[in-house]
Amino acid sequence: DTEVTQTPKHLVMGMTNKKSLKCEQHMGHRAMYWYKQKAKKPPELMFVYSYEKLSINESVPSRFSPECPNSSLLNLHLHALQPEDSALYLCASSQERGRVPDTQYFGPGTRLTVL
Amino acid sequence: GQNIDQPTEMTATEGAIVQINCTYQTSGFNGLFWYQQHAGEAPTFLSYNVLDGLEEKGRFSSFLSRSKGYSYLLLKELQMKDSASYLCAVIVWGGGNKLTFGTGTQLKVEL
Repeated sequence: DTEVTQTPKHLVMGMTNKKSLKCEQHMGHRAMYWYKQKAKKPPELMFVYSYEKLSINESVPSRFSPECPNSSLLNLHLHALQPEDSALYLCASSQERGRVPDTQYFGPGTRLTVL
Repeated sequence: GQNIDQPTEMTATEGAIVQINCTYQTSGFNGLFWYQQHAGEAPTFLSYNVLDGLEEKGRFSSFLSRSKGYSYLLLKELQMKDSASYLCAVIVWGGGNKLTFGTGTQLKVEL
């Protein structure tokens, strides 16, 4: 089973709202990722978690706040977003073997619209 | 910085073979992945190369030349369902494994 699930599938929020995106995997993967994908563009890495610790933050604005409460779950907390933050947010997971790269498996994404 | 280039669009005929090229210039290299992405869906893993040469996986093959910074994805016996975006992605080590995607190639398969 290589399934990564994400909720919600769609989210519409105002610029003053606070919302959270959720991601879950049960493959025993210890690396989890958030990506942002704008229309007709490739995914762009936002955050990497390794063994529940944040290892990479690609200079993402603080209005995006990631959280990894346990090895199966990854959240992305959203606050005071801008309309240009509207995009598909993808979660991915992989095995964690340090410098040895492993295949990342992607969830179906959350389509976010900021009004 | 990372620079990964692919053709923007390609068209091929059902049953034919198509080759999608990818060139890269990256600071570091740990491997190269190919993903398929249908519109509005998640990228799905197709193939992975870490050493030079050809990797074959059913109708899909991928080739890597690290000295040339070049890879290609070969799709055989094309089917209509192969119409999708194909993403080349390079993985580098940066305190964690960082996957950087190329611009993507939109493949259209016609009858």
